[in-house]
Amino acid sequence: GQSLEQPSEVTAVEGAIVQINCTYQTSGFYGLSWYQQHDGGAPTFLSYNALDGLEETGRFSSFLSRSDSYGYLLLQELQMKDSASYFCAVRAPPKSTDKLIFGTGTRLQVFP
Amino acid sequence: GAVVSQHPSWVICKSGTSVKIECRSLDFQATTMFWYRQFPKQSLMLMATSNEGSKATYEQGVEKDKFLINHASLTLSTLTVTSAHPEDSSFYICSARSDRGSYEQYFGPGTRLTVT
Repeated sequence: GQSLEQPSEVTAVEGAIVQINCTYQTSGFYGLSWYQQHDGGAPTFLSYNALDGLEETGRFSSFLSRSDSYGYLLLQELQMKDSASYFCAVRAPPKSTDKLIFGTGTRLQVFP
Repeated sequence: GAVVSQHPSWVICKSGTSVKIECRSLDFQATTMFWYRQFPKQSLMLMATSNEGSKATYEQGVEKDKFLINHASLTLSTLTVTSAHPEDSSFYICSARSDRGSYEQYFGPGTRLTVT
């Protein structure tokens, strides 16, 4: 089977740093993406890791360790608008279609 | 750029009727589109991969006769929920992968279906 596990909920205060973990078990792996989704809205792309290591995009960074089947999203200088659900997603075979398998999702609540 | 639209944004229908949802890539061509279903406070579940000019590929457990997918052009895919029942009520989201070669998928705003 295929599974991507994330913590269900994380809370933090404005200005803080939070890390959202993702462990995956999939039949085939091309890369790990992260998406943000506000209630009732569409997922929006945040970050992507194909190789091991850290990718930094502004306040957001994402890390991947393929040997550990593990990744995380790091959000720095949290703002109230960061309150949303965050999903990791694995690019899965076949490569010709690049389908995404989504994780269980983490609801982030940022408090003032 | 890379905008995907869905229509309608919400729909209410009676049990037993069929509902068609459209997904369009507005400023790019997409040979491949995807359909997801999302229940409240849950993850996105991939239903099927839609390929222009060929039959859709359905994920395990998704009834292909109930969820009809047609990808008639490089910018339009449709999902028809046939003989809808209350348990089909959900948020349906499409995404499109640009033919320009990027791995990234661009998501539509979703369609909220309520079956009464």
